[in-house]
Amino acid sequence: GAGVSQSPSNKVTEKGKDVELRCDPISGHTALYWYRQSLGQGLEFLIYFQGNSAPDKSGLPSDRFSAERTGGSVSTLTIQRTQQEDSAVYLCASSPPGRHSGPEAFFGQGTRLTVV
Amino acid sequence: SQKIEQNSEALNIQEGKTATLTCNYTNYSPAYLQWYRQDPGRGPVFLLLIRENEKEKRKERLKVTFDTTLKQSLFHITASQPADSATYLCALDRGTYKYIFGTGTRLKVLA
Repeated sequence: GAGVSQSPSNKVTEKGKDVELRCDPISGHTALYWYRQSLGQGLEFLIYFQGNSAPDKSGLPSDRFSAERTGGSVSTLTIQRTQQEDSAVYLCASSPPGRHSGPEAFFGQGTRLTVV
Repeated sequence: SQKIEQNSEALNIQEGKTATLTCNYTNYSPAYLQWYRQDPGRGPVFLLLIRENEKEKRKERLKVTFDTTLKQSLFHITASQPADSATYLCALDRGTYKYIFGTGTRLKVLA
């Protein structure tokens, strides 16, 4: 496909379980972002990967959250010991290289996580 | 702390009129400002980017202004159509590519 792909689209998990969310960015895009959107809230920045540079993890809300990006492409966001407040839509975005003027981000459709 | 404010109330306008959405920010000096459209159950879609040294940017029926003195951006949709109904988000960045998003304004264009 031509767009950013996220899986699963919906995930219901029990409190205390670990979850993994996957993002396939657009081929050739070097930057990858994870955001979280709670009901009625704006997008909350979580983490940013750019090429081979160290990721900017400053938005991760706690040490239960981690993310990796393998081979500069696919990314996985892991939430350990999920809590009910982790329930939200997790959005992944990617942007192309070579732009030094605020590149536009291409978003996936998100993973709706519900912790029960 | 950094704060971005968009009208939290929904904006209802009549088809054919111009919709104007506001994005105000405090404690921030963005290098770039973007506007996105988000439909229910979908990810945001990029619409326009404006730089700090630009006053205005246009794209078809869309116009964005950026006033760094007032710390405000206005987003206009002229000749609005029911298909323009969506939530519109503004996002700011200092050039670090870590965009901070507002909560969005829901626009409804009435036929």
